[in-house]
Amino acid sequence: GESVGLHLPTLSVQEGDNSIINCAYSNSASDYFIWYKQESGKGPQFIIDIRSNMDKRQGQRVTVLLNKTVKHLSLQIAATQPGDSAVYFCAEAISGGYQKVTFGTGTKLQVIP
Amino acid sequence: KAGVTQTPRYLIKTRGQQVTLSCSPISGHRSVSWYQQTPGQGLQFLFEYFSETQRNKGNFPGRFSGRQFSNSRSEMNVSTLELGDSALYLCASSLAGQGKVNTEAFFGQGTRLTVV
Repeated sequence: GESVGLHLPTLSVQEGDNSIINCAYSNSASDYFIWYKQESGKGPQFIIDIRSNMDKRQGQRVTVLLNKTVKHLSLQIAATQPGDSAVYFCAEAISGGYQKVTFGTGTKLQVIP
Repeated sequence: KAGVTQTPRYLIKTRGQQVTLSCSPISGHRSVSWYQQTPGQGLQFLFEYFSETQRNKGNFPGRFSGRQFSNSRSEMNVSTLELGDSALYLCASSLAGQGKVNTEAFFGQGTRLTVV
């Protein structure tokens, strides 16, 4: 079956440094890949997504890279701030007007002041 | 614009009982999805409703069911609760299926269910 997994369960980064969170996926049929951020006591919050026909997409301080050859997804956060501390989930979705999203297990990002 | 609202926020139930959780989506959103979040399994998809019809279903036993009303509000029900059902249940709404290929799902804060 389809699955999405993360390489690192916890990532500690110095404030101001760049963070890279990695993710592997297995379903080649997925059209979209999404990154969510979940802070303690809150539901996941959408950060950025990328279509399967793209290999890079940039947002505000974040960049998502997609490597379909090795089925790898990464989220880069520039100039990491204490407010970036959270659990980050990658997820994959199959389009067609349907909202079925498969989430990875999550990576906890700890920003060291 | 109000966000996704889930009630109740916290719930304690006894094994064998049943429970109903409620979700009010963002106004205008017709797609509502439910997820179970546990420390060991992460976020797992339960089901998705659109215009009162279940469009997608995850790999959960039949004890887990849901429905959606004409105003897009949704409920999920778990019957014959087991200790392993203790989890954070999250609801998300989106515009998926409304002429938009939009994956941005807006999540509620969840209902923390504890089964004792």
